Amino acid sequence: KNQVEQSPQSLIILEGKNCTLQCNYTVSPFSNLRWYKQDTGRGPVSLTIMTFSENTKSNGRYTATLDADTKQSSLHITASQLSDSASYICVVSRSNDYKLSFGAGTTVTVRA
Amino acid sequence: SAVISQKPSRDICQRGTSLTIQCQVDSQVTMMFWYRQQPGQSLTLIATANQGSEATYESGFVIDKFPISRPNLTFSTLTVSNMSPEDSSIYLCSVEGAGDTDTQYFGPGTRLTVL
Repeated sequence: KNQVEQSPQSLIILEGKNCTLQCNYTVSPFSNLRWYKQDTGRGPVSLTIMTFSENTKSNGRYTATLDADTKQSSLHITASQLSDSASYICVVSRSNDYKLSFGAGTTVTVRA
Repeated sequence: SAVISQKPSRDICQRGTSLTIQCQVDSQVTMMFWYRQQPGQSLTLIATANQGSEATYESGFVIDKFPISRPNLTFSTLTVSNMSPEDSSIYLCSVEGAGDTDTQYFGPGTRLTVL
């Protein structure tokens, strides 16, 4: 069973609207949680990284939240643009090794 | 941050042949990783490549199928040997650290299609 679950699997939103992506994890012991954006045909690019003590982190129009108690994270996209169309991957790392646990990703399509 | 380049960016290969993918980083890094991303799937770690030692392979991946070289701290290659259509995937290299040990940076990927 995957230790990082993302929802929804995909979503379509209109340009200018907001959306929120969810990530639940069971990875332990927890080190940090990262959100990556992967454009079609490209490698993932880091958006945010949060440690246990951080509740929220922003990167432009992207805002990530983390609740380490409930092991949940969200990525909020504000005022979406066509260039936000991509796959968003939640990645969790353990504190005792370098290996990462990847979610399956949420595919976001922004339409004009 | 680290800037990573991969060659080739894409290739179409015949069944039974081999392809070597190159990964170049703009700074010296200790750990380099090779991932596979099959269509519609997330990333799966193939192996970890450390300079001066044998690569460490994950369950389900073997050196005979995916030999890896790591001749220095900025370069690595992954070979996909005796290819079959099931090997059609995106192959990505990544590095840990490069001054920021909390982030893993990914290359642009190599899109491989096996006919």
